[in-house]
Amino acid sequence: DSGVTQTPKHLITATGQRVTLRCSPRSGDLSVYWYQQSLDQGLQFLIHYYNGEERAKGNILERFSAQQFPDLHSELNLSSLELGDSALYFCASSVGASGGGRSPLHFGNGTRLTVT
Amino acid sequence: GDSVTQMEGPVTLSEEAFLTINCTYTATGYPSLFWYVQYPGEGLQLLLKATKADDKGSNKGFEATYRKETTSFHLEKGSVQVSDSAVYFCALIALTSGTYKYIFGTGTRLKVLA
Repeated sequence: DSGVTQTPKHLITATGQRVTLRCSPRSGDLSVYWYQQSLDQGLQFLIHYYNGEERAKGNILERFSAQQFPDLHSELNLSSLELGDSALYFCASSVGASGGGRSPLHFGNGTRLTVT
Repeated sequence: GDSVTQMEGPVTLSEEAFLTINCTYTATGYPSLFWYVQYPGEGLQLLLKATKADDKGSNKGFEATYRKETTSFHLEKGSVQVSDSAVYFCALIALTSGTYKYIFGTGTRLKVLA
């Protein structure tokens, strides 16, 4: 058990809808990262938050947004969903100081999103 | 820019065979290197790591040595089991423009047959 909790595990929704994915990092971790994993296995970095502040953005669509709350949990909001948004969405956390440091990432088990 | 390149999969082996999954990297400075494993239906789990040249990371019979001269971090196991069937990701942390970034390879699927 990595200590990173993601909910829900599965989500099925229709095109055009909006969903929110939730992540609770490991106790003591200040950094939260979001990744998208498509069927071809690749991990796409979406966004990184450290202690409530956005630190880096990757290939995140404008229809997607995220935030990290004072209790350090994070939410990823996906709107105007399209069929191509169907994927596994992973959250990862690290104890890293500002900028991430060299500590490894610890991943949750992901949320599987299916857009029909 | 910084990058990680892994061998294409799937890699299919018989039980007790020797495993090598190649990983090479491009990075400025001195990255830390990692191998993660993803079992079906689960998230990525840290398998092993190495933080400086010539370090050897090991865990669960898997090993990888940080080779700065060849910019490689190949994953090896002497005798694979069916339970090792999973996707393996090579990754690094690199300092880029004052910020540490995690770079992942595309993953290599391993299938071990009984």
